[in-house]
Amino acid sequence: AQSVTQLGSHVSVSEGALVLLRCNYSSSVPPYLFWYVQYPNQGLQLLLKYTSAATLVKGINGFEAEFKKSETSFHLTKPSAHMSDAAEYFCAVIKAGRRALTFGSGTRLQVQP
Amino acid sequence: EAQVTQNPRYLITVTGKKLTVTCSQNMNHEYMSWYRQDPGLGLRQIYYSMNVEVTDKGDVPEGYKVSRKEKRNFPLILESPSPNQTSLYFCASSRGADPYEQYFGPGTRLTVT
Repeated sequence: AQSVTQLGSHVSVSEGALVLLRCNYSSSVPPYLFWYVQYPNQGLQLLLKYTSAATLVKGINGFEAEFKKSETSFHLTKPSAHMSDAAEYFCAVIKAGRRALTFGSGTRLQVQP
Repeated sequence: EAQVTQNPRYLITVTGKKLTVTCSQNMNHEYMSWYRQDPGLGLRQIYYSMNVEVTDKGDVPEGYKVSRKEKRNFPLILESPSPNQTSLYFCASSRGADPYEQYFGPGTRLTVT
């Protein structure tokens, strides 16, 4: 069964520093992959998605992710963290043969001033 | 404004008392889904619907029921709630029959005592 693993339940960076949130998927077939963000006391919002087009995907708020088949990874990056980026981030994959999303356990990003 | 609405936002109930959480979207989306969010587990899918009268189980359907009689509404029913169903619930919708770009509701925090 397809799944995603997010390394690090908590990540802390300084304002202006690089943000790197890790996501690895388990699948022999390239899946559809997503990153969602959840701000405090809100629902989830789609940041970006990979659907087998370009391997480098640009999303909202300056985030991007690169699909690397050889590493089965889809890490999320942002060159310079802003205080407003503090939130929980979820990687997700569509299950092969099913119209259902599987989410990772989430990474809480803290941005220090 | 395009949105997914859920009611109620907060609910405290007792074991065994039937309850319904409503979900409505105004975007004419075909796909709708329910998730529960628990600390350290990310979001897990309960049920989803690809269109009116078409529903299927997600990863954790036990103890829940759904119906899709109208395109805009997708209520979640707990016939006999138990304390292990205490959680944060999200409804989501997306265009087409696949969850490629889901719009999430604000969440319903349910406590079962």
